[in-house]
Amino acid sequence: DSGVTQTPKHLITATGQRVTLRCSPRSGDLSVYWYQQSLDQGLQFLIQYYNGEERAKGNILERFSAQQFPDLHSELNLSSLELGDSALYFCASSVGEGRSYNEQFFGPGTRLTVL
Amino acid sequence: GDSVTQMEGPVTLSEEAFLTINCTYTATGYPSLFWYVQYPGEGLQLLLKATKADDKGSNKGFEATYRKETTSFHLEKGSVQVSDSAVYFCALVNNDMRFGAGTRLTVKP
Repeated sequence: DSGVTQTPKHLITATGQRVTLRCSPRSGDLSVYWYQQSLDQGLQFLIQYYNGEERAKGNILERFSAQQFPDLHSELNLSSLELGDSALYFCASSVGEGRSYNEQFFGPGTRLTVL
Repeated sequence: GDSVTQMEGPVTLSEEAFLTINCTYTATGYPSLFWYVQYPGEGLQLLLKATKADDKGSNKGFEATYRKETTSFHLEKGSVQVSDSAVYFCALVNNDMRFGAGTRLTVKP
């Protein structure tokens, strides 16, 4: 158990809909990262937040957005969903802001299926 | 931009066989390098890391050496076990984090 929790575990929805994925980092970790894992694209970094502020952006679509709240939990919002958004979405957390020397601890993931 | 290339799987070995999973990278500057492992139905777990050239990361019998001259970070284990069956990801951190495509390892008894 990494200490990172994600809800829900599974999510099934229809095209065009909007969903929110939630992540609670390990106690004491200030950084939260979101990743998408799909069969065709592999594991892709989406976005990082540190202590409530956006720190880095990866391959995140404009239809997707995220935020980190004062209690440090984070939410990833996916809107106008398409079939291709079906994937496993991971959240990870680390103590510090810089990514080079901070081990990231991954949650169990949320499996999103868009029908 | 930065990228990671790792050998395609799947890799199937017998128990106690020697394992090598190749990983090479392209990056400017001096990235940190990582191997993560993903067991079925779970998230990724850090297996080992190296933050500068010639560093050797090791954990649970796995080793990898940061070779700047060949831009490589190959994962090795001298004797694999059935419990090592998983997907292994090579990754680098520079301006952001990049993962390889993953290599699925199956170890048969």
